[in-house]
Amino acid sequence: AQTVTQSQPEMSVQEAETVTLSCTYDTSENNYYLFWYKQPPSRQMILVIRQEAYKQQNATENRFSVNFQKAAKSFSLKISDSQLGDTAMYFCAFMRGGGAQKLVFGQGTRLTINP
Amino acid sequence: DVKVTQSSRYLVKRTGEKVFLECVQDMDHENMFWYRQDPGLGLRLIYFSYDVKMKEKGDIPEGYSVSREKKERFSLILESASTNQTSMYLCASSYMDTQYFGPGTRLTVL
Repeated sequence: AQTVTQSQPEMSVQEAETVTLSCTYDTSENNYYLFWYKQPPSRQMILVIRQEAYKQQNATENRFSVNFQKAAKSFSLKISDSQLGDTAMYFCAFMRGGGAQKLVFGQGTRLTINP
Repeated sequence: DVKVTQSSRYLVKRTGEKVFLECVQDMDHENMFWYRQDPGLGLRLIYFSYDVKMKEKGDIPEGYSVSREKKERFSLILESASTNQTSMYLCASSYMDTQYFGPGTRLTVL
């Protein structure tokens, strides 16, 4: 069974700083996807960024980028120039490829951006 | 935009009651999911459905059942609510490998 671990329950940074959220996972699969989802306070969970395991290039979406280290089974999220609206719970998630699209989530990291 | 809606944002029920949580998506997605979210545990999959009338157990199905009579609607049923089912319940539907979430229902069982 796959597991996803987020070792940082809470983080706090100042606005405009760069912050990195950690995620490690365990799987014996070769075909899989990794995701970061964001859940702002009292708002819906939304997808931030996704990475296909077969792609060596790290995914980037505007201020959000990942550092995907397949051999180390590590998938960290970097937020550059952090903004107050980035305050949220962030979940790392794993999905086995070719299956029923089930997600396995980490425990979450509560990120607070301070003005 | 994909829209996933859930019937209630907040719900308070008593132990032993039968509880229905409804989820509706408007994008004709085949796959739908029910998760519960608890602090320190992240989201855990209760049940999912990959087609009308088709369902599969997730990681924590005990005490829950589901119904999918129409493609757009996926219901989670607590046959006899217990206090340990107090939680946030999230519904999702998926297209390709991306899941779209509803706003969640915070259920309190007294």
